[in-house]
Amino acid sequence: AQTVTQSQPEMSVQEAETVTLSCTYDTSESNYYLFWYKQPPSRQMILVIRQEAYKQQNATENRFSVNFQKAAKSFSLKISDSQLGDTAMYFCAFMKLGGPNAGNMLTFGGGTRLMVKP
Amino acid sequence: EAQVTQNPRYLITVTGKKLTVTCSQNMNHEYMSWYRQDPGLGLRQIYYSMNVEVTDKGDVPEGYKVSRKEKRNFPLILESPSPNQTSLYFCASSLDILALGGQFFGPGTRLTVL
Repeated sequence: AQTVTQSQPEMSVQEAETVTLSCTYDTSESNYYLFWYKQPPSRQMILVIRQEAYKQQNATENRFSVNFQKAAKSFSLKISDSQLGDTAMYFCAFMKLGGPNAGNMLTFGGGTRLMVKP
Repeated sequence: EAQVTQNPRYLITVTGKKLTVTCSQNMNHEYMSWYRQDPGLGLRQIYYSMNVEVTDKGDVPEGYKVSRKEKRNFPLILESPSPNQTSLYFCASSLDILALGGQFFGPGTRLTVL
């Protein structure tokens, strides 16, 4: 079974600064996907960024980028130029690829609450 | 607008009273799933469905049922709710099992069982 660990329950950052959220995972799979989801106060889950394990290049989406270290099983999220609207819970998630019957199950970490301060 | 809708958004009920939380998506997605979110535990998958009439258990299926009679709908049924099912529930859908675009989540249903 896979496990995903987010060791920072809460973090804060000043507006316009950069913050990095940590995520580590444990798996014996070699082929998988990793995701970061954002959950604002509205509670809806929003996909921020994804990374395919077979790709060495770190994924980037505008102000969001990841540092994917496959050997270390680490998948951190960097938010640059933080904005007040980035205040939310952030969840790291792992998905294995196991064929049609894999179930496409996402395993989530416990979340990190990020507060962006003006 | 592409979306996943859930109803009701908030529900307070009593132990043993059967309830259904509906989930509907308008994106013609094949894959749908239900999660529950509890403090410190992140999201855990309850059930998933890879297509019409194809459903299977996730991590925490006990006490829940689902059905997938139509592609767009995937209701979650609690036949006899208990207080340990008090939680925040999310329905999600994706185009296929790989979910390369990520899963689309509904707004959530907060359920309280007294």
